[in-house]
Amino acid sequence: AQSVTQLGSHVSVSEGALVLLRCNYSSSVPPYLFWYVQYPNQGLQLLLKYTTGATLVKGINGFEAEFKKSETSFHLTKPSAHMSDAAEYFCAVTPGNTGKLIFGQGTTLQVKP
Amino acid sequence: NAGVTQTPKFQVLKTGQSMTLQCAQDMNHNSMYWYRQDPGMGLRLIYYSASEGTTDKGEVPNGYNVSRLNKREFSLRLESAAPSQTSVYFCASNPQTGLSNQPQHFGDGTRLSIL
Repeated sequence: AQSVTQLGSHVSVSEGALVLLRCNYSSSVPPYLFWYVQYPNQGLQLLLKYTTGATLVKGINGFEAEFKKSETSFHLTKPSAHMSDAAEYFCAVTPGNTGKLIFGQGTTLQVKP
Repeated sequence: NAGVTQTPKFQVLKTGQSMTLQCAQDMNHNSMYWYRQDPGMGLRLIYYSASEGTTDKGEVPNGYNVSRLNKREFSLRLESAAPSQTSVYFCASNPQTGLSNQPQHFGDGTRLSIL
């Protein structure tokens, strides 16, 4: 079965520090991978996606992620955290030939002043 | 530029009551989805509709029914609400059917409490 694991349900960083949110997936076929962000009392917004091609993907708000097939990982990074980055982040995969999304458990990012 | 619209935004029900959550999208998307979000569990797929006229079960369909009324609308019904169905419900849509490299677009959610 396909699955997505996000390591760390809560991550806390200082403003200006590196943000690293981890995501590992299992998929028997090449997946499409997504990162979404959810601000309080809102729906999910797409940060970035990997489908094919370049494995380093840039998204909105300065975030990027790298697809590493050998490690089955798709970690999200941002060089310098901003207070407005505080939110919950979800990694998701669309395995194979379905349109369904499988989500990780989510990681809450706290940014300290 | 509405995107995906869910109604209501909040609802409190008593155990055993029924309710229909409404979802409409104005992007001419083919696929639509219902998820529930619970703390520490991410989003789990309840039902989806790959195209108008079709619906299929997702990961957690028990206690729910759906209707794809037309291409725009996809409703979720709780026939006899239970406290375990207290959750935040999200509707989403996708322009494609089947294999999709396009992201899903989400509504703002319905926060449902069942007493």
